[in-house]
Amino acid sequence: GAGVSQTPSNKVTEKGKYVELRCDPISGHTALYWYRQSLGQGPEFLIYFQGTGAADDSGLPNDRFFAVRPEGSVSTLKIQRTERGDSAVYLCASSLTAAGLTDTQYFGPGTRLTVL
Amino acid sequence: AQKVTQAQTEISVVEKEDVTLDCVYETRDTTYYLFWYKQPPSGELVFLIRRNSFDEQNEISGRYSWNFQKSTSSFNFTITASQVVDSAVYFCALSGYNAGNMLTFGGGTRLMVKP
Repeated sequence: GAGVSQTPSNKVTEKGKYVELRCDPISGHTALYWYRQSLGQGPEFLIYFQGTGAADDSGLPNDRFFAVRPEGSVSTLKIQRTERGDSAVYLCASSLTAAGLTDTQYFGPGTRLTVL
Repeated sequence: AQKVTQAQTEISVVEKEDVTLDCVYETRDTTYYLFWYKQPPSGELVFLIRRNSFDEQNEISGRYSWNFQKSTSSFNFTITASQVVDSAVYFCALSGYNAGNMLTFGGGTRLMVKP
């Protein structure tokens, strides 16, 4: 079946601009996660959703970052007033559930964001 | 707090050699899960294995094997008879029951298998 998809695959923007990154999880997966991976490092957790609600947003670095999942499927990560330090690969993952014991998270190909 | 350490940042081997990637973790949870993911040059993280803290049995899957030792907080990954296609960055990750469902990743080990 189809895996996690993310669009766009690459995004180049200028400092100060607003960007939106989209994630389409595996069909039937109720939990969705966003991570950020800087060059040469492991992914770092940003936020996760169980259904439509953000269950844990403790990894969001500041209030310029926001994510939504209005219908419990597709999610959008929004970054306002982008800074050069936001440049990274943004990874999305989904799992069957997020209740109780941890389910395996399956990752999308990522969106490479470059802020000039 | 959770932490995963992959001390080997880069390993280079010649094809057909065996190679072990080390992973050491820290957690206060008694129930936790450990994972290995592979990230080939294409960039997508590929799930390899998941192990819970109550199951210390070693696992073998083809050329891959994993050694989980709670006594040393380690979850090492061995590739037998390495192949060029094994070249990738490998990440060890941890999820603790009380820490929520987030994965805490190590810094990764870049494996280069030369023909």
